[in-house]
This record gives sequence, C-alpha cells and structure tokens, in this order.
Amino acid sequence: SQQGEEDPQALSIQEGENATMNCSYKTSINNLQWYRQNSGRGLVHLILIRSNEREKHSGRLRVTLDTSKKSSSLLITASRAADTASYFCATDAYIQGAQKLVFGQGTRLTINP
Amino acid sequence: DGGITQSPKYLFRKEGQNVTLSCEQNLNHDAMYWYRQDPGQGLRLIYYSQIVNDFQKGDIAEGYSVSREKKESFPLTVTSAQKNPTAFYLCASKGRTAGVSILDTQYFGPGTRLTVL
Repeated sequence: SQQGEEDPQALSIQEGENATMNCSYKTSINNLQWYRQNSGRGLVHLILIRSNEREKHSGRLRVTLDTSKKSSSLLITASRAADTASYFCATDAYIQGAQKLVFGQGTRLTINP
Repeated sequence: DGGITQSPKYLFRKEGQNVTLSCEQNLNHDAMYWYRQDPGQGLRLIYYSQIVNDFQKGDIAEGYSVSREKKESFPLTVTSAQKNPTAFYLCASKGRTAGVSILDTQYFGPGTRLTVL
C-alpha cells in the first residue's frame, strides 16, 4: 500500500481562503517533501522538511511534521486562482536497502475566483 | 538552461509494439528515476538508477526495461509484456552534491503521455 496517504482527495475553496492538506505515512523517514502538479505536467518541488524539523515556511506555504503521529500538513495561505493544482506529499525513506521517494495519491485543490 | 527533458510529449503505441521514452538531464545528477502516473493517482516507481551502468527495479518494473549508459540519459522501454501501458510517464533526477540543486529533491521532466491504440 502507499506509504503516504493524503486527505482530502479533493478540496475546493474561495480565493483568499487558506487551504490545508494532510499526509500520513507508515514508516520512519529521512524527510518529507511536498510537490505540486499542474494538470498534465511534471511535478514541481515546493518544500522539504527533515525528520528532525517540526515546521517550515516558504512564502505562503507552511509545512508541519509530527513524527510521533507520522503525519504532515501543508497550509497555503491567502490562496490564489493560480494555486489550482494537485499537491503530493512524498516520504523519503530507506526501503528494501535503497533510498526512495514514495508518493501519496495527492490532493486536488481548486481555487474559485 | 539546466533541466530535465522528456520526449516525445505524446506517444501512441499499437498493441504488441515496444516503444522507448527518452529522458535527458544536464543537471549533472547521478540518480535518475522513472515513474508511472495513472489518472487521479500518485506516482509509482518503475526503475531507478543511482549511478551510470547500474539500475534497480522499482515497485512496478514488469513489462519495462531501462539502460543507463550515460550519466545524462535514462531511456525507458515499454515492452509488449506490459499489459496496460496507457499512462503518464515521468522521469526525475536527483543530485548528490549541493550547488544549484537542493539535496534530496527530485527534479521532474514534463512527462510523456503514452496511449495504446
């Protein structure tokens, strides 16, 4: 099964509101990353949080990590129509002797103008 | 421009035909990856290569093959043994040294959409 599971699967909010997406995982990790994907395009890296960090900010993005609960959240503040995309969490961990990124199924975010 | 490119953007394959997807990077990254994405789903790892002339199977390698003869290139062949190849294929690379790349971050190409006719 997927290492990362995201919640909600889809989120629709009004422009200017905040959007929160959650990610849960199962094994110990080196770091957790969030990526964004516009429809039919490649993924773009947004932010990386290491296992010894609890919170990280980048512009309008805020990521938290709770290793005791094996969960992370991505908050986008003051959302804009251009934030409409799918957002994926990915856990970086050693699996079967190799360092791998394992992706969740993503949250599809729609920002309504 | 530094980056990772994939070609073609769209590819159509007849049943029983092998096709090869191209992935090239000029980021001087050691590691390269191939993922498959189905509609509304996350990415699943097909193959990865941590260094030239070496590659490992990912979670869904059956019906696929790769080569890594050059650092810059990691082509993926979708063989006729892959029963359901219609999907979006993404290539990524990752660097081992700091500099223009953030360590531990994968950089993705724009993807190739493969459709079986």
